[in-house]
Amino acid sequence: GENVEQHPSTLSVQEGDSAVIKCTYSDSASNYFPWYKQELGKRPQLIIDIRSNVGEKKDQRIAVTLNKTAKHFSLHITETQPEDSAVYFCAASIRAMRFGAGTRLTVKP
Amino acid sequence: DGGITQSPKYLFRKEGQNVTLSCEQNLNHDAMYWYRQDPGQGLRLIYYSQIVNDFQKGDIAEGYSVSREKKESFPLTVTSAQKNPTAFYLCASSTRGHYRDTGELFFGEGSRLTVL
Repeated sequence: GENVEQHPSTLSVQEGDSAVIKCTYSDSASNYFPWYKQELGKRPQLIIDIRSNVGEKKDQRIAVTLNKTAKHFSLHITETQPEDSAVYFCAASIRAMRFGAGTRLTVKP
Repeated sequence: DGGITQSPKYLFRKEGQNVTLSCEQNLNHDAMYWYRQDPGQGLRLIYYSQIVNDFQKGDIAEGYSVSREKKESFPLTVTSAQKNPTAFYLCASSTRGHYRDTGELFFGEGSRLTVL
């Protein structure tokens, strides 16, 4: 099955700085790559996603890039705010979604 | 109000007992999924079902069983064969079944199982 690796496991940035989280996947047939945010005690929520026919997608301060050849994709958060502090998961999907191990992002005010 | 409902939210069980976690959705989604979440390990796929009356094992299916007799329901049984069942269990659903990619997953609030 699909194997998704995510780095780093923890990330601490100063408010206003950028944060980048990187993921790789193993199954070249995967064609859907979402990112989820999970706040403490809450369910994961989709923040942005990208399909394999697109190289980059942006939504306000959040962007995702995809390199299908290298089988990696990244989440970029600009102008970070304290409310961005959470655990972020990348995932890759063909018939069922597999998740990375998560990145705990802390934004210091 | 549409969504996914998991119950119970907290469950305690003695070793050797089976327990069933409920997952119901009224979103009319074809596909449903069960994940286990442990600290530092992300979400690991237990079982999934892309259409009623059909389901497939995920990556950590040993010690678990499921059924999909109705479109809106996908219960998970944690059997006594599961060696380390204490965990947070998340159910999810998506519109895109029928063996295409999943599309966005919508999650329930989770069930926390503790084995005493």
